[in-house]
Amino acid sequence: QVQLVQSGPEVKKPGASVKVSCKTSGYTFTSYGISWVRQAPGQGLEWMGWISAHNGNTNYAQKLQGRVTMTTDTSTSTAYMELRSLRSDDTAVYYCARAEYSSSWYDYWGQGTLVTVSS
Amino acid sequence: QSALTQPASVSGSPGQSITISCTGTSSDVGGFNYVSWYQQHPGKAPKLMIYDVSNRPSGVSNRFSGSKSGNTASLTISGLQAEDEADYYCSSYTSSSTWVFGGGTKLTVL
Repeated sequence: QVQLVQSGPEVKKPGASVKVSCKTSGYTFTSYGISWVRQAPGQGLEWMGWISAHNGNTNYAQKLQGRVTMTTDTSTSTAYMELRSLRSDDTAVYYCARAEYSSSWYDYWGQGTLVTVSS
Repeated sequence: QSALTQPASVSGSPGQSITISCTGTSSDVGGFNYVSWYQQHPGKAPKLMIYDVSNRPSGVSNRFSGSKSGNTASLTISGLQAEDEADYYCSSYTSSSTWVFGGGTKLTVL
């Protein structure tokens, strides 16, 4: 069965970086892409970007351009999201989700990773 | 890209039907048939309920249906059940090749 398993919670100081992993199984990794979506405490969902596991093409939300990098490791079927220059308003649960194309829906989701940014 | 507009809350009694609207622009909802709806229970990851405006994934109850008219998409839940109580989010592909979500709607089953 398709599974996306994310790395554990992180606590970071302002200005630091965080890298969240999303290990997939149960499907052909390179036939799909991975999107990242975050949710601040008590708030709604925010789209962060998408990466193709086939060729590494990416598309990022404009507000995160320059601070976010999404990558994949096809040898381990794992996707990564790195966010730099962290601020307090980056505190959120970060989700990875499977999407065949950049225009596709998200049919499987990871369990979420809480990233807390606090001094 | 501004968030899509959803009502903050809706409610209904068991067995009734409710509709949640999702209003965007011609650059997102109105311009593409790539509207999805997600259900999220507290502390859980979102779950896909509707994709491409009106398609239901395997395993999702046929009590859930989606539609679109112009710049507004809608999710209808018929025969409300207690387990339907959750937050619901719409999302749309955009002309910038990005996605935008709605602010979310809290459904209360009375």
